[in-house]
Amino acid sequence: DAGVIQSPRHEVTEMGQEVTLRCKPISGHDYLFWYRQTMMRGLELLIYFNNNVPIDDSGMPEDRFSAKMPNASFSTLKIQPSEPRDSAVYFCASSLSGARGNTEAFFGQGTRLTVV
Amino acid sequence: AQKVTQAQTEISVVEKEDVTLDCVYETRDTTYYLFWYKQPPSGELVFLIRRNSFDEQNEISGRYSWNFQKSTSSFNFTITASQVVDSAVYFCALSEAGTGRRALTFGSGTRLQVQP
Repeated sequence: DAGVIQSPRHEVTEMGQEVTLRCKPISGHDYLFWYRQTMMRGLELLIYFNNNVPIDDSGMPEDRFSAKMPNASFSTLKIQPSEPRDSAVYFCASSLSGARGNTEAFFGQGTRLTVV
Repeated sequence: AQKVTQAQTEISVVEKEDVTLDCVYETRDTTYYLFWYKQPPSGELVFLIRRNSFDEQNEISGRYSWNFQKSTSSFNFTITASQVVDSAVYFCALSEAGTGRRALTFGSGTRLQVQP
């Protein structure tokens, strides 16, 4: 399996522009997570989905952030308009539910976003 | 609310030394899961181990071992005979089963530097 695939790997954009991050989870996984990593706040959950339905979006910073999962193999995280404080590494992860309970999440390579 | 504390911000050792990374967690849930992830300089997050709250058996995998103690709410990670390739940031994480919240709560990480 190719693992969780994120694109782009790096994104540099100007303040005010729209940014879209993409994620393809591991095939068969029914949970998908978006995390953000910064020096100041560490790794923090933004939102997660189960079977394409958003379950917890309490970590989404503000209305400028939105996430969608139109099908089981694709999710997007959009920032509009972007601001310099959004600069961070954004990780997508997926996991599989089942009799084992809360299973481990597998992470993508991350997207390093720089807003100038 | 759940919380994970990794009090050691950075540890530096010389190759072949043993090193223990500390993790203390807080949760009100009786069923929960603990994880360790490694983040090498390349930036990806690599899953190392998962334990559930009912299994306090220590685990050994090669040079890695984990000590889970519910009495002290700790899940410590020991690397025996450290190698330069072990240099990375290590994260401890928690997810709760009782609340149904699948997402991981991460500690702030411990940066391990193994000097040759």
